[in-house]
Amino acid sequence: KQEVTQIPAALSVPEGENLVLNCSFTDSAIYNLQWFRQDPGKGLTSLLLIQSSQREQTSGRLNASLDKSSGRSTLYIAASQPGDSATYLCAVRIESNYQLIWGAGTKLIIKP
Amino acid sequence: EAQVTQNPRYLITVTGKKLTVTCSQNMNHEYMSWYRQDPGLGLRQIYYSMNVEVTDKGDVPEGYKVSRKEKRNFPLILESPSPNQTSLYFCASSLLSVGGNEQFFGPGTRLTVL
Repeated sequence: KQEVTQIPAALSVPEGENLVLNCSFTDSAIYNLQWFRQDPGKGLTSLLLIQSSQREQTSGRLNASLDKSSGRSTLYIAASQPGDSATYLCAVRIESNYQLIWGAGTKLIIKP
Repeated sequence: EAQVTQNPRYLITVTGKKLTVTCSQNMNHEYMSWYRQDPGLGLRQIYYSMNVEVTDKGDVPEGYKVSRKEKRNFPLILESPSPNQTSLYFCASSLLSVGGNEQFFGPGTRLTVL
């Protein structure tokens, strides 16, 4: 059964730092991996989608990588800002039934 | 504007009183699903649908029903809500293709069952 783990569970860093969030999954039979952002009490915003055949995707200050064979993805945030404070979730879409399997998230706090 | 809408956004009800949370998408997506989000448990899938009249159980279907009579709508029905169904609920949709597609989410429905 696919399991998705996100480490760390929480992270607090000063503004301006570059940081990396980690996501690992146990079964490489995935269609894609997607990173989301969730603000407190709000919905989920899709940040980046990486297809299983891709190695990375970039959007602005965000870069996500995927190493399917080792079951790992990282979300790199450059020059962090207080507005980046949120919970970041990763999810993999598994091949067997198209289901999305979720990590528990990393709560990120960027201190001004 | 392409979007997934849910109603109501907030609902407080009592045990046993049937309720329906509506979900609608305007992107012609085949795949729709419902999740609940609880502290410490993350997002868990309740039901999903790959097309009209096709629905399947997710990880936590007990106590819920769904229907998919039209492509754009996927209502979540709680026939007899109980306090353990107090949660934040999200509806989501995506295209259905071999390579997988981006998942879009509704704004969420915060349900409290007293």
